[in-house]
Amino acid sequence: QKEVEQNSGPLSVPEGAIASLNCTYSDRGSQSFFWYRQYSGKSPELIMSIYSNGDKEDGRFTAQLNKASQYVSLLIRDSQPSDSATYLCAVRGVGFQKLVFGTGTRLLVSP
Amino acid sequence: GAVVSQHPSRVICKSGTSVKIECRSLDFQATTMFWYRQFPKKSLMLMATSNEGSKATYEQGVEKDKFLINHASLTLSTLTVTSAHPEDSSFYICSARVREGLSRETQYFGPGTRLLVL
Repeated sequence: QKEVEQNSGPLSVPEGAIASLNCTYSDRGSQSFFWYRQYSGKSPELIMSIYSNGDKEDGRFTAQLNKASQYVSLLIRDSQPSDSATYLCAVRGVGFQKLVFGTGTRLLVSP
Repeated sequence: GAVVSQHPSRVICKSGTSVKIECRSLDFQATTMFWYRQFPKKSLMLMATSNEGSKATYEQGVEKDKFLINHASLTLSTLTVTSAHPEDSSFYICSARVREGLSRETQYFGPGTRLLVL
């Protein structure tokens, strides 16, 4: 079982819709969760971090964490073509361990 | 967020030569930096963890004598690809860890270095 799992996609949504990206993780002791966006040919860029159960909102982005279900998601409201990228979920366990990345979900937002 | 720079952004070299890539934390001190490699359309792959003032920790399968890492200061880590071969052609990305609270850390990535070995 992979430590951090994401559907590779592509996830296609029309402009203006809500894009929902999901991630599950296997280490129940994980404490820190991150979403990165990576455009083709570029390095990852941090979008959100979340540490507690529930929702965390930042502009059009909402991260949702459910530790009991070992599930973290990212919602993008009012999706724009410029949101088309690969979204990487990353998880860190107890202590300051290295991040474990999922393989990423490719999002395509069509005009 | 914190800013991490990398130099050079792109390098082309002949097979057998060595290439040095620099990673700098511009507005913070990074006791720990990470080096990743990414092949086209593939996932990020962690190569090694670089700790200031000590030897780097390499991931399984990464040759430490081929990928030399030096983290001599709190703002600079270097990766040297020794005797580069065409199969080393890849996108090399560094990342720096930032403490943002008692038990919270975030990782910020540099812009990456694209290496092409002819």
